Amino acid sequence: DAGITQSPRHKVTETGTPVTLRCHQTENHRYMYWYRQDPGHGLRLIHYSYGVKDTDKGEVSDGYSVSRSKTEDFLLTLESATSSQTSVYFCAISESMASSYNEQFFGPGTRLTVL
Amino acid sequence: AQSVTQPDIHITVSEGASLELRCNYSYGATPYLFWYVQSPGQGLQLLLKYFSGDTLVQGIKGFEAEFKRSQSSFNLRKPSVHWSDAAEYFCAVGEQSNDYKLSFGAGTTVTVRA
Repeated sequence: DAGITQSPRHKVTETGTPVTLRCHQTENHRYMYWYRQDPGHGLRLIHYSYGVKDTDKGEVSDGYSVSRSKTEDFLLTLESATSSQTSVYFCAISESMASSYNEQFFGPGTRLTVL
Repeated sequence: AQSVTQPDIHITVSEGASLELRCNYSYGATPYLFWYVQSPGQGLQLLLKYFSGDTLVQGIKGFEAEFKRSQSSFNLRKPSVHWSDAAEYFCAVGEQSNDYKLSFGAGTTVTVRA
């Protein structure tokens, strides 16, 4: 299995509080992604990173920010959590080599509940 | 932009029976196609992938998938289902671009009955 960890694995928070989720990889992969998983929607891309300090928005980026100061860490921040951000969050990584052809490896997920 | 449709939300199959999960994609060029499986409470595991070449690809756990360009489909099959195959299955498509993004279908939940 690819070396990807997410912390925390479970979190309950209140509306309006800031929340930061961490993804850590030991594979030295260039690309990192944050997804949210909701019933009936599959996985939707929030933000992704193509290198240290290089990030871009995905399809559901509103209300989220990210940072990547080191190759191995990709942080997802909810500046002011809302109930609509209750979800399971997955981190994924991908190599940049052409032979990988977008193959992504996923972390175990973080279940976030916003009350 | 590419998109993926998995027409079946939920499938129930008897143990030992065959299984086929449908996936249709929308993309102008030759796509990169993937099937992932997610067991309850777990992350996603790659079952198989198609990039080019032979349109019938073999994956792990006895799964295979066939790419049909004329039908824009990439259906997943398994000839004999085991109880441990109960999970949610996601089809995904990637672009031939430089940002390595994937688009996922909504998923199909498979229930296996004894």
